[in-house]
Amino acid sequence: DIEMTQSPSSLSASVGDRVTITCRASQDITNYLAWFQQKPGKAPKPLIYAASNLQSGVPSKFSGSGSGTDFTLTISSLQPEDFATYYCQQYNSYPFTFGPGTKVDIK
Amino acid sequence: QLQLQESGPGLVKPSETLSLTCTVSGGSISSRSYYWGWIRQPPGKGLEWIGSMYYSGSTYYNPSLKSRVTISVDTSKNQFSLKLSSVTAADTAVYYCARRIPYYAFDVWGQGTMVTVSS
Repeated sequence: DIEMTQSPSSLSASVGDRVTITCRASQDITNYLAWFQQKPGKAPKPLIYAASNLQSGVPSKFSGSGSGTDFTLTISSLQPEDFATYYCQQYNSYPFTFGPGTKVDIK
Repeated sequence: QLQLQESGPGLVKPSETLSLTCTVSGGSISSRSYYWGWIRQPPGKGLEWIGSMYYSGSTYYNPSLKSRVTISVDTSKNQFSLKLSSVTAADTAVYYCARRIPYYAFDVWGQGTMVTVSS
């Protein structure tokens, strides 16, 4: 199985901050990497597919980059609605696996 | 607009079989473009992919659950189902169904349904 790791596991930030979350795969997954946002009691919301492409309706303050084993999710200017937990997921090969999540909360 | 809705018992006894159904509305489950999957999330924990299927019946399961999982489709009802046998408390989780488009990842999710395994 491909193991996904994320750093940091949590972070505190202020409204307006630029936030970057890192995701690393234990082996090459080319660009088959997705990012999700999850708020308490809600289903994960798809943000990005294929490492750098925004899902429909996702604002451009979210961006993704990377390929191979190292990926990043950046939120350019954090807003109150962005405080949530973020997960990466590889879909290069079965079994699909998720990172452990990064919780973004208010400083 | 495509919507997915999970349904099934919220409480299952240990050693019994968990059965859930995902109803697809606003689109056809028989589309050649899509795969359909199940993902779960234990309380306070992360996400775990359970398995996926294609409308033709091809299935792909997480090896950690493979011996206990069956995913099937009912195209006449536009539904697909999850069965997880011999459940224990460790199977207590919110279960989500989702659509996956190859290359586009899981792009549509159901709201999730909580299943508790307890006697």
